[in-house]
Amino acid sequence: AQKVTQAQTEISVVEKEDVTLDCVYETRDTTYYLFWYKQPPSGELVFLIRRNSFDEQNEISGRYSWNFQKSTSSFNFTITASQVVDSAVYFCALSGANAGNNRKLIWGLGTSLAVNP
Amino acid sequence: DAGITQSPRYKITETGRQVTLMCHQTWSHSYMFWYRQDLGHGLRLIYYSAAADITDKGEVPDGYVVSRSKTENFPLTLESATRSQTSVYFCASSELTTNALLETDTQYFGPGTRLTVL
Repeated sequence: AQKVTQAQTEISVVEKEDVTLDCVYETRDTTYYLFWYKQPPSGELVFLIRRNSFDEQNEISGRYSWNFQKSTSSFNFTITASQVVDSAVYFCALSGANAGNNRKLIWGLGTSLAVNP
Repeated sequence: DAGITQSPRYKITETGRQVTLMCHQTWSHSYMFWYRQDLGHGLRLIYYSAAADITDKGEVPDGYVVSRSKTENFPLTLESATRSQTSVYFCASSELTTNALLETDTQYFGPGTRLTVL
């Protein structure tokens, strides 16, 4: 069975601190995709990144970076020099590849990040 | 406007009434999805559609009906609303892409509909 675990329910940091959000997944598929989404207080769900299981290179986009390690089944998300605008709930998700008509995303329960001034 | 929209954004209804939530996308994406988001449960898939006239059940389909007569629209109907259906409903769409031997898609979400059933 596929599963995504985000063990950190809530994190609170002070602005400019670095923060890492953990994501651990379980799957028996050899090919799969991992995603991160952001849900700010306004409520919409914003796509951040998609990674396939064959690409373990770290990804950096501005202050955001992602560390994918198949050996530990983890896809962690780091925000460097956090800002108040980063306050949101962040979701990690998993889907299979070559999945035919089954396009299901398996979601973690999210980590609520509060960045305080 | 381009993108994916949902209407209404907020809805209050009473137990037993029929309610339809609308979802419209302008990308001509093949796939569309309905999720509900509840505290402690995260996002749960209700129904999805691979193309016009093709729909399938997700994780929590009971009490809901969908249709997809046109690619761009995917309405969700609560035939007889119950209090347990009070939730935030998200519609999403995606398009299948092929990269080498892998097929995948990225789901893009609408702004959500907050439904309260009294």
